[in-house]
Amino acid sequence: KQEVTQIPAALSVPEGENLVLNCSFTDSAIYNLQWFRQDPGKGLTSLLLIQSSQREQTSGRLNASLDKSSGRSTLYIAASQPGDSATYLCAVRPTGTYKYIFGTGTRLKVLA
Amino acid sequence: GAGVSQTPSNKVTEKGKYVELRCDPISGHTALYWYRQSLGQGPEFLIYFQGTGAADDSGLPNDRFFAVRPEGSVSTLKIQRTERGDSAMYLCASRQSTGYSGGRSFETQYFGPGTRLLVL
Repeated sequence: KQEVTQIPAALSVPEGENLVLNCSFTDSAIYNLQWFRQDPGKGLTSLLLIQSSQREQTSGRLNASLDKSSGRSTLYIAASQPGDSATYLCAVRPTGTYKYIFGTGTRLKVLA
Repeated sequence: GAGVSQTPSNKVTEKGKYVELRCDPISGHTALYWYRQSLGQGPEFLIYFQGTGAADDSGLPNDRFFAVRPEGSVSTLKIQRTERGDSAMYLCASRQSTGYSGGRSFETQYFGPGTRLLVL
């Protein structure tokens, strides 16, 4: 059974710092992995999607990497800003399915 | 263009009652997901539609939960005989299709704002 874990559960950093959020999954048979952002009481916004054949994806200050064989993905945020404060969730789509399995998220607070 | 919309935004009901939650996906999106999210947790998959058919309903917790998408657009999640444990945020997401072309993935999910259900 696929399980997704995100560490740390919460993180507080000063503005301008570069940071890394971690996501690990137990079964390497995945079709893709997505990183999402969720603001309090709101729905999710997709940030980056990495196909199983890819190693990384970049969008602006965000870079996500995928190491399928070790069951890990990282989301790198450069030059963090207070507006980056949110919960970041990763989700994997197991091969042969359409469902997504989510981690419990990392709650990020960027201090001005 | 318009995003995914969900109605109502909040629903308070009494234990044992029946509720319907509605999702309007982005126009042209053939795939639609329902998720349930409890406080402090990630979304939990409930059901996936491809067009009008439920391609995967393995996440529905029991037979009190049912979802339909009769015309391949709007979807309704139906919960019978609600229980206090059904209280959660119910999220809907749609995506265009599946696959990847020209550096662009069609897998990106677009989420609605959710319906917060409270069963008293």
